[in-house]
Parts: sequence; structure tokens; C-alpha cells
Amino acid sequence: DIQMTQSPSTLSASVGDRVTITCRATQNIGGWLAWYQHKPGKVPKLLIYKASILQSGIPSRFSGSGSGTEFTLTISSLQPDDFASYYCQHFNTYSPGFTFGPGTKVVVK
Amino acid sequence: EEQLVESGGGLVQPGGSLRLSCSGAGFIFRSYELGWVRQAPGKGLEWLSYINGGGDTVYYADSLKGRITVSRDNANHALFLQMNSLRDDDTAIYYCVLVRHAFDIWGRGTMVTVSS
Repeated sequence: DIQMTQSPSTLSASVGDRVTITCRATQNIGGWLAWYQHKPGKVPKLLIYKASILQSGIPSRFSGSGSGTEFTLTISSLQPDDFASYYCQHFNTYSPGFTFGPGTKVVVK
Repeated sequence: EEQLVESGGGLVQPGGSLRLSCSGAGFIFRSYELGWVRQAPGKGLEWLSYINGGGDTVYYADSLKGRITVSRDNANHALFLQMNSLRDDDTAIYYCVLVRHAFDIWGRGTMVTVSS
């Protein structure tokens, strides 16, 4: 089974910072990766799919890159609304896999 | 607007069973793949199951295989998750999700508490 890891587990940052979260897969998953944002008491939100495609309605400060086994989520200029947990997910309905990474919590520095 | 609403959560004793439901509205229900995800207190998101539009293709997380069954009733716009042999660590919020590009739409979740 493909496992997903994320680093760091917690990230301390300030408003305006450029933030990068890394996600790694234990096997080559091509571009089959999604990113989600989750805030306490709220419903998770899809940010990016197929590694780099921005979901409709998501601000352009969010971007995704990578392929194979290493992926990154970048927030170009952190906003107050962005303090949350972020999860990567191997998402592939063809060679089925839907495993989430353990999450990265972005907190105020 | 697509909407998913879960129900059926509650308090159940260890070893017990529970059937969660998810009602869909605002989209052509039979055309969409659906799934279940959970989040235990203080833990991350955990994918549980996936079902295709026709209900004839299902996948389960290895950690729960044998204890859960996903099904759907397209005529009534409903998704189900049957959970058996519940344990304390099954305590979580259970979300149903609509698959489009990934897990695009999420319900608000239903809380399941396993405790004696």
C-alpha cells in the first residue's frame, strides 16, 4: 500500500510569509495528489487536485507542484484565514488509492 | 448547489454496530462517485471507503476492511456506511464526500462515539 508523509508536522509562520509544505509518497503516484485545508469545527476544503490544478474559488496564493513521490503546497503570502491544518492525499480512482497524509498544522509564530 | 447531509451517528457500545446515512441534493446523484472519511478527536483525516455511481465498484481502507460496508440507493439519493464490531478508536466525526476532481464536496459530518 502507498503511504503518505508530510513535513513539517507543525509550521510556525507570520502573516505575509511564504509557506511551503512537503508531501511524499512511498511509491510513484504520478500527479495523483490533492491538497485540503481543514479548520477546527469546519468542513475540509479541496484546494488543489492533480498536484497543481487550483480548485475553483481557491485564492491564487495557493499553488501545488511535484510529481512521482515528492510534492509541495506553497502559500505565497500567508493570510490570517490560512492558519489551519493542511493534508495531502493520494487520490486515484483508476488505480485506486485515497490515502491522506498525517497533516501539517500552520500556527501563528 | 451540491449538498450532502450525514445522519445516524450517536453513542454506541463497544462491539456494537451502526449504520450511517448520507443524503445528497443539488446534483445528479447516480452520476457521482461518493466516499466516507473520518476524523478521530485530535487526529488527522482518514479515508474509509469509496463507491462508484452505479454502486458496483467499492473500495475500503485496509484498516477497516471486513468491518465496514458501503452501499447506495440512487433512487432515494442516499449513501450508507454499515459499521460493525465497533471499538473505542472508531470514535470520530464521519463525513461523506462527493468525488469530482478529488473529494470536492463534504457533508458537515456526523459524530460517532463508541463507549460503554
